[in-house]
Amino acid sequence: GENVEQHPSTLSVQEGDSAVIKCTYSDSASNYFPWYKQELGKRPQLIIDIRSNVGEKKDQRIAVTLNKTAKHFSLHITETQPEDSAVYFCAASYSGGSYIPTFGRGTSLIVHP
Amino acid sequence: NAGVTQTPKFRVLKTGQSMTLLCAQDMNHEYMYWYRQDPGMGLRLIHYSVGEGTTAKGEVPDGYNVSRLKKQNFLLGLESAAPSQTSVYFCASRPGTSRGNEQFFGPGTRLTVL
Repeated sequence: GENVEQHPSTLSVQEGDSAVIKCTYSDSASNYFPWYKQELGKRPQLIIDIRSNVGEKKDQRIAVTLNKTAKHFSLHITETQPEDSAVYFCAASYSGGSYIPTFGRGTSLIVHP
Repeated sequence: NAGVTQTPKFRVLKTGQSMTLLCAQDMNHEYMYWYRQDPGMGLRLIHYSVGEGTTAKGEVPDGYNVSRLKKQNFLLGLESAAPSQTSVYFCASRPGTSRGNEQFFGPGTRLTVL
């Protein structure tokens, strides 16, 4: 089955800095890679996703890059703000069939004002 | 639309007691999932369903049972609760394959087993 490794487990930055979270996956059949943000005590919510037919996707201050050959993908947050503080989860899956995503263990991002 | 809702929000059980967690969605989604979230472990899949009347085991199914008698509801049962089942439980739903891959999560149920 799929195995997703996520690093770092904790990331502390100053407001305005950039933050990068990295994930690796094992199954070359995976073709859909979502990122979820979970604020304290809240539910996970999708913030961005990427499919294997593109290498990069951007949405305002958030971007995701994918390297299929190396089987890794990353979340980039620029100009971080205190409200970016949350736990971020990556996931990998094959978008067809039963769609069972495998999640990373999460990264706790702390943005200091 | 209420989206995905879960009942109850909190529950404390004693070892050996049973309970059922209810997940409901009003988005006509085909797929539904039950996850548990423990510190440092991410989201682990317990059971899932690809449609009304179907269920399948996920990564950590032992000690849990599920049913999906109606398309909008997905029930998670604990027949004999154990302290190891203390966790936050999230339900999620997703449209059919042709309608996108985003999972929509419920607000969670915090369960403590003493």
